[in-house]
This record gives sequence, C-alpha cells and structure tokens, in this order.
Amino acid sequence: DAGVTQSPTHLIKTRGQQVTLRCSPKSGHDTVSWYQQALGQGPQFIFQYYEEEERQRGNFPDRFSGHQFPNYSSELNVNALLLGDSALYLCASSLRSRRTYNEQFFGPGTRLTVL
Amino acid sequence: AQTVTQSQPEMSVQEAETVTLSCTYDTSESDYYLFWYKQPPSRQMILVIRQEAYKQQNATENRFSVNFQKAAKSFSLKISDSQLGDAAMYFCAYRSMEYGNKLVFGAGTILRVKS
Repeated sequence: DAGVTQSPTHLIKTRGQQVTLRCSPKSGHDTVSWYQQALGQGPQFIFQYYEEEERQRGNFPDRFSGHQFPNYSSELNVNALLLGDSALYLCASSLRSRRTYNEQFFGPGTRLTVL
Repeated sequence: AQTVTQSQPEMSVQEAETVTLSCTYDTSESDYYLFWYKQPPSRQMILVIRQEAYKQQNATENRFSVNFQKAAKSFSLKISDSQLGDAAMYFCAYRSMEYGNKLVFGAGTILRVKS
C-alpha cells in the first residue's frame, strides 16, 4: 500500500511565475490537507479539501488555490510567486472524521525554491 | 485561535540517556488531541505519539512517553534510552476534535544525539 506521494520532489521557479504541486493520498483516504514549512519553522496549514471542495483555510492569500479530483488526489497552485514562497510544501491525507481519531499521514514534501 | 509554543530551539542528549522536550499550548476548547511528530533530514513527518485531552493517563509508545498537564496546558515528550536514530526535528502539534483535522504546529526542537 503506497503512502502519500507528492510530485515533484524539487522545483525551482522565478518570481512572478506560477507553480502546481501534486499529491496522491494514501489508499482509502478522502481528505487532503496542505501545509507550508519555511526553513527552520513548523508547518503552517494552508487549506484542506474534502469531497472536491475547500473545507478549511489558513491565513494564506488568494494566490494559493487548490483542487481535489474525484479520485481524491489534489493540486496546490501558487500564482505570482514571491521569494517568501520558498518552502517545503507538505501534503497530508486522512479520513474525514469529527470526534473519532483518524491519523494524518504526511507525504515527503515538495521543496520549492523561488529565485 | 489555538497556538503551540516550543521554547527549546535545540537540545542535546548522550546516547542511552533520557531527554525531555517541552511544549505549551493555548486553547479554549476542552476536547482536543495533542501530538509529537518527528521530522528527520529525509523530511518525512512521522507521528511519534498522541494524547487525547479527555484521557488523564499519559500516553506511552515504547521509549517515548508524554507528561500531559491539562490545567497547565503543558505537553512534554520524554525519550528514554536515546538512540542515534532519534536525532531529528521534533514538532508538538494540536488538533481540535471538531471537523477539520487541521494541525497547529509549534516551531520545533532540534534534537542532537551524541555517541
């Protein structure tokens, strides 16, 4: 059973460009969350997708957008890249639940460098 | 909004010794989850241990145990018999029991293990 996979592993872009990152959840999972982890810091929640809709959003500008497909995979899009967008982008998948525990499994991340 | 604070940017421990990593958090909720995650240089975020706030008993996973003080909003991780493979960045994280699975992370503590 493959875990959470992300592509690409590394990416280099220049300021002003647009980027798309991809995530395939662990088998059986229906919810995908995205996190941004700047160097030396803890991950920050960007947003979460369930049933192809954005369900929760962190404090990130509209330049950050996403999509979830019928097979539960997800994309993170960032427009008009800034130097400050350079970070490790982590995808995590889980089963949607309220008061029962379902573990979030993380992918290996995509390292984005903006020059 | 919930916040998580890790006041130790870096800790060192001798192989086979015990080390404790500190974490405090702030929330107005009464039910929630707390986690410790490990992130080695490979970047893969790995769940070490979790604690449900409604459980008074401290969680234990092999050499890893927590000291959960709900009234003080404190959640420390104790690693016994430290091994070289324990060297990593450790993150404390909070999750509400409501819908959303959003994780709120601390800034992390780098743990170095000396042989």
